[in-house]
Amino acid sequence: DAGVIQSPRHEVTEMGQEVTLRCKPISGHDYLFWYRQTMMRGLELLIYFNNNVPIDDSGMPEDRFSAKMPNASFSTLKIQPSEPRDSAVYFCASRLTGTGGYEQYFGPGTRLTVT
Amino acid sequence: AQKITQTQPGMFVQEKEAVTLDCTYDTSDQSYGLFWYKQPSSGEMIFLIYQGSYDEQNATEGRYSLNFQKARKSANLVISASQLGDSAMYFCAMRVIYNTDKLIFGTGTRLQVFP
Repeated sequence: DAGVIQSPRHEVTEMGQEVTLRCKPISGHDYLFWYRQTMMRGLELLIYFNNNVPIDDSGMPEDRFSAKMPNASFSTLKIQPSEPRDSAVYFCASRLTGTGGYEQYFGPGTRLTVT
Repeated sequence: AQKITQTQPGMFVQEKEAVTLDCTYDTSDQSYGLFWYKQPSSGEMIFLIYQGSYDEQNATEGRYSLNFQKARKSANLVISASQLGDSAMYFCAMRVIYNTDKLIFGTGTRLQVFP
C-alpha cells in the first residue's frame, strides 16, 4: 500500500514568492495533519483536518499560511508571501479513525528553503 | 499543560546490546496515548509503538518495547539487540484523547549504534 505522498520533496524559493506544498494521504484515512519541523522549535502541529474539514488551525503561525483539503485524497499548504524564517521541513501525516492507538503515518516531508 | 520531556540528547550503544531511551510526560488527563517515532537521517518519521493509558501490559513490537510506568509518568522505549540501522533520532509523543487530536512531541534523542 502506498504511504503518505508529499510533493515536492525539496523546494528552494526566494523571499516573497508563493509556495505550495502538496499531500496525498493514505487511501481511506479520514484525518490529515500538517506539521513543521525546525531545529529551534522541533515538531509542531500547524493544522489538521477530519473528513476534509479543518478542525484545529491554532498552530498556523500567521495569515501568510493557509491550508485546504478539497477532497479526501488531496491537501495543500500554501505560504504567501514566503519569508526566510519559514525554512523548515514540512510533514503531512494521516490516520484512520478507530484503528489501534490513533497513530499517525507521516509522509517523507518537504524541505523548504527560503532565501 | 501537556508536555513531553526527553532528557537524553544523545545515546551510544554497541551493536547487539539493548538500550533504553527515556521519556517522561505531564498531563492531568486520565485518558491519553503515548507514541514513539523514529527519524533516520533520510528524514521520514516512522511510527514504532503505541501505549494507551489504560493498557495494563507494556506494548511490544518486535525488538521495541515500551516500559510504561504510569505512577512515574514515564514511557521509556527499550530497543533490544541493537542494529546499525537503528541509528536515528527517536521522538516520544503524547495524544490527549478527549481533548484534541494533536500529538505533542519531545525534543528527541539521537541514538548511535556502533559496531
